[in-house]
Amino acid sequence: AQSVTQLDSQVPVFEEAPVELRCNYSSSVSVYLFWYVQYPNQGLQLLLKYLSGSTLVKGINGFEAEFNKSQTSFHLRKPSVHISDTAEYFCAVSDRYNNDMRFGAGTRLTVKP
Amino acid sequence: DAGVIQSPRHEVTEMGQEVTLRCKPISGHNSLFWYRQTMMRGLELLIYFNNNVPIDDSGMPEDRFSAKMPNASFSTLKIQPSEPRDSAVYFCASRYGTAYQETQYFGPGTRLLVL
Repeated sequence: AQSVTQLDSQVPVFEEAPVELRCNYSSSVSVYLFWYVQYPNQGLQLLLKYLSGSTLVKGINGFEAEFNKSQTSFHLRKPSVHISDTAEYFCAVSDRYNNDMRFGAGTRLTVKP
Repeated sequence: DAGVIQSPRHEVTEMGQEVTLRCKPISGHNSLFWYRQTMMRGLELLIYFNNNVPIDDSGMPEDRFSAKMPNASFSTLKIQPSEPRDSAVYFCASRYGTAYQETQYFGPGTRLLVL
């Protein structure tokens, strides 16, 4: 079965600084990878997803992620964060043997002024 | 276009009472998922349906939990009897089609507190 590990439970960063949220996955077959964001007291929203093709995926709000098959990683990056990016970020994986999605434990990003 | 609708948004009940959470998926979506989110356990998949049929309920914690999807536009998650450890935020999500690469769209959640 596939699984996801988010290596950092909390990431504090100053406004306008770059940020990287790390995600590693395990699966024995080809995977599809997703990043979701959860703002306080809201449901999850899709930031971006990787299905195939270019390994660099661009999403909403200036975020991007790079799929690295050899390192089984899908790290999320933003070159300059805003206060409004403060939220919890979830990495998720699905594959053709499991018709559902497995979520990581989440990374809480806190952007400080 | 309305997103996934969940009701109630907040529920406070006493231990032993029956709790029913409701979800209306996005029109035209074929798959529906119920998740539970807690600080201790994170986001857990409880059960999901494809075309109104339960496919995987291995995440349902115990027999006190049950879920139904009588038609394509409505699903319920019931807890009977409720216990304090059931306190959590319960999310419903829907997906167009049944393919694993499709995006899941989440509702705002129901915050349940069992006293």
